[in-house]
Amino acid sequence: SSELTQDPAVSVALGQTVRITCQGDILRTYSANWYQQRPGQAPIVVIFGSNNRPSGIPDRFSGSSSGNTASLTITGALAEDEADYFCHSRDSSGDLYVFGDGTTVTVL
Amino acid sequence: EVQLAQSGAEVKKPGESLKISCQGSGYRFSSNWIAWVRQKSGKGRELMGIIFPADSDIKYSPSFEGQVTISVDKSISTAYLQWSSLNASDTAIYYCARLLMVRGNRWFDPWGPGTPVIVS
Repeated sequence: SSELTQDPAVSVALGQTVRITCQGDILRTYSANWYQQRPGQAPIVVIFGSNNRPSGIPDRFSGSSSGNTASLTITGALAEDEADYFCHSRDSSGDLYVFGDGTTVTVL
Repeated sequence: EVQLAQSGAEVKKPGESLKISCQGSGYRFSSNWIAWVRQKSGKGRELMGIIFPADSDIKYSPSFEGQVTISVDKSISTAYLQWSSLNASDTAIYYCARLLMVRGNRWFDPWGPGTPVIVS
């Protein structure tokens, strides 16, 4: 199966740490990428290839992977981190791509 | 700066045709696959298909094959997504995104701002 499953929503206190997960059998074969999408804005990549952070992305964002689960961790969450975070990977054909439904992060 | 600029919002009636665009700038447009992604209100993202501008190779996601047409005009660095007959279920925001491939990793960057399409 190429489905990617995420929890719909999570909340985190300002300055605390939150971990978002993405589960799918395809993640045993292909790495996951993570995107942040704020309301009314285009998605931006925050982690690619499981654990790589693009230039310009704060180091409070980190990624990891184990088995069929990829994780995005925000260490020391800021108010500006409130957004929808969704994962992405290849599908079982290897030529197309699938997305998780996204996790809405609320910073309290 | 690498950018994808998309055409503006559309309001159409059921049965009408539509073609929306995505123009790349700041990089060699022909060298990267361009994806079209649908996002319905309150729902997740769905890949519709991808196109390689250099040779117009296209791969459609099974759910969208036969429902839309993806094309490209590399001379003006622009990809297109079109419908011959819209219906209400096509109401969504449509994003284009550039596919990057580096050392076995593949990810989308950047994304266009999205084109809202309302069919009513």
